[in-house]
Amino acid sequence: GIQVEQSPPDLILQEGANSTLRCNFSDSVNNLQWFHQNPWGQLINLFYIPSGTKQNGRLSATTVATERYSLLYISSSQTTDSGVYFCAVVPQAGTALIFGKGTTLSVSS
Amino acid sequence: NAGVTQTPKFRILKIGQSMTLQCTQDMNHNYMYWYRQDPGMGLKLIYYSVGAGITDKGEVPNGYNVSRSTTEDFPLRLELAAPSQTSVYFCASRPRGPEQYFGPGTRLTVT
Repeated sequence: GIQVEQSPPDLILQEGANSTLRCNFSDSVNNLQWFHQNPWGQLINLFYIPSGTKQNGRLSATTVATERYSLLYISSSQTTDSGVYFCAVVPQAGTALIFGKGTTLSVSS
Repeated sequence: NAGVTQTPKFRILKIGQSMTLQCTQDMNHNYMYWYRQDPGMGLKLIYYSVGAGITDKGEVPNGYNVSRSTTEDFPLRLELAAPSQTSVYFCASRPRGPEQYFGPGTRLTVT
């Protein structure tokens, strides 16, 4: 089945720093979503982005479907950005999301 | 809209007990999913449904059952709970479009 790999696995930042999270996937996809799981365990939809670029405030994402990767950019990080960031894809023959293992982000003040 | 709601938020079960995790969505979505998340891992699909009366297995269905009698509700049944079922359970739904929306999760411990 499709493989979803995220890097780095862990990231420690000072408040105000910028970061880039990467998601590689091994086959063509119909859907790609980025989620933030906050310290209380809640999954928050960040982006639905099977291709192209989107921005939402300090966060932006780019997916290059032909090269099978997606990037999530966090600018001017804040302590509330801490948590786990998941990339998840739906293969072309599937209906359910396949999740990567996530990137754990810790932002300190 | 309340979105996707799940009950209970937390539950502790003894080995061999049974329980039902409830999931309800008020967005009239056709597709509904159950995932589990083990510590330090991403989510894995247990079961899914493409509409009322239609369900299918996902990657990790053993030890679980589901039903979908209405568009709104998609309960997950655990029979004979085992320690390996200790996990956080998430329900999700989506319309005909591809973006999925998740509930707040149920944290289950089996001891």
